[in-house]
Amino acid sequence: AQKVTQAQTEISVVEKEDVTLDCVYETRDTTYYLFWYKQPPSGELVFLIRRNSFDEQNEISGRYSWNFQKSTSSFNFTITASQVVDSAVYFCALRGITGGGNKLTFGTGTQLKVEL
Amino acid sequence: GAGVSQSPSNKVTEKGKDVELRCDPISGHTALYWYRQSLGQGLEFLIYFQGNSAPDKSGLPSDRFSAERTGGSVSTLTIQRTQQEDSAVYLCASSSFAETGAYEQYFGPGTRLTVT
Repeated sequence: AQKVTQAQTEISVVEKEDVTLDCVYETRDTTYYLFWYKQPPSGELVFLIRRNSFDEQNEISGRYSWNFQKSTSSFNFTITASQVVDSAVYFCALRGITGGGNKLTFGTGTQLKVEL
Repeated sequence: GAGVSQSPSNKVTEKGKDVELRCDPISGHTALYWYRQSLGQGLEFLIYFQGNSAPDKSGLPSDRFSAERTGGSVSTLTIQRTQQEDSAVYLCASSSFAETGAYEQYFGPGTRLTVT
């Protein structure tokens, strides 16, 4: 079975603060893919990043960065110098090649509120 | 280019009635998915279509739920004899297909279904 845990239900920060969203996953697959999606108040899920299990190199995209550590089964997401427009629910998701089939298994999401 | 589109955006129906939800995937995407998002259950996989292969129906919650995909493009999710617990946002996603499984899913805006 596959499982994604986002223990942080809600995080509130003041604009310009850095914030890290945690994601811990479980899978028996040796090949799998991890994703982050953003769901703003408008409701549409927006794809942010895909990471392959065989590539542990961290990635930075503007104010966003992702830290993938297989040793701790974690795929954390950091927003640097947060902005009000970053307010949204963020979902971490997992897709395994064999055990997971064709579906994405989502975490329960972290609601991020960025205030002025 | 155009993203995934879904219709209607909102649907209110009476308990016991049938409903049809439509999804138009991104042009050229051969894989199509339906998910359901509700407060109690989070984001749940329902069904997956890939080309002419038999769909993966492993996530459909009951035999009242069915889906088809015509011509490898548009998909319709049908819920028969709707129940109040069917109230949720139904999300459609599409993706390219790669044997390696390395692809990301792009989501539509969803259909909010309310069963009264």
